[in-house]
Amino acid sequence: DTAVSQTPKYLVTQMGNDKSIKCEQNLGHDTMYWYKQDSKKFLKIMFSYNNKELIINETVPNRFSPKSPDKAHLNLHINSLELGDSAVYFCASSQGNNQPQHFGDGTRLSIL
Amino acid sequence: QKEVEQNSGPLSVPEGAIASLNCTYSDRGSQSFFWYRQYSGKSPELIMFIYSNGDKEDGRFTAQLNKASQYVSLLIRDSQPSDSATYLCAVNMGGGSYIPTFGRGTSLIVHP
Repeated sequence: DTAVSQTPKYLVTQMGNDKSIKCEQNLGHDTMYWYKQDSKKFLKIMFSYNNKELIINETVPNRFSPKSPDKAHLNLHINSLELGDSAVYFCASSQGNNQPQHFGDGTRLSIL
Repeated sequence: QKEVEQNSGPLSVPEGAIASLNCTYSDRGSQSFFWYRQYSGKSPELIMFIYSNGDKEDGRFTAQLNKASQYVSLLIRDSQPSDSATYLCAVNMGGGSYIPTFGRGTSLIVHP
């Protein structure tokens, strides 16, 4: 009965690889987000979708590509991973884009 | 550049005292304000949200908003050791685009 679930929880991979993180919410929300939290714990918005439409696309390298097959799912694909991509990535959802957000447990990405 | 500023702390208070956490934001057009709590290694969880000037109370927590001064605060009454965490202030900026912008968080330590 997890509200916002992300997989995998941990991801350890080498530089140059391509990886994906999946997110699903069962709250019936129409807006979903991806955040990056760096080693200094700064949480920064990357993308947001509302009803499968991209509404926020902050200054993120185009190696990062979000995809929302339906309003309950928002996946993140990362190409050519770099050392600086090491961080915790959080998925979140809300009912409307001006409402409180519910966060997933995060995916800890480590680049070797 | 649109920013949310918080004192990183740590803020140390004795058990039973009132903890006061403060946040300022740069975008005068901001309309929604949130406080999240994040325990080490966990995801952010919503504590309070406020949209209008004034005070909003929920149990031991009170959020205070002053839009003229671009200032939002969180008071925690009867602080408990379990309140020890990082508190993140979040502001949806950009008028209609509602871009979630987080502060760097204030670390709160409640000592017995």
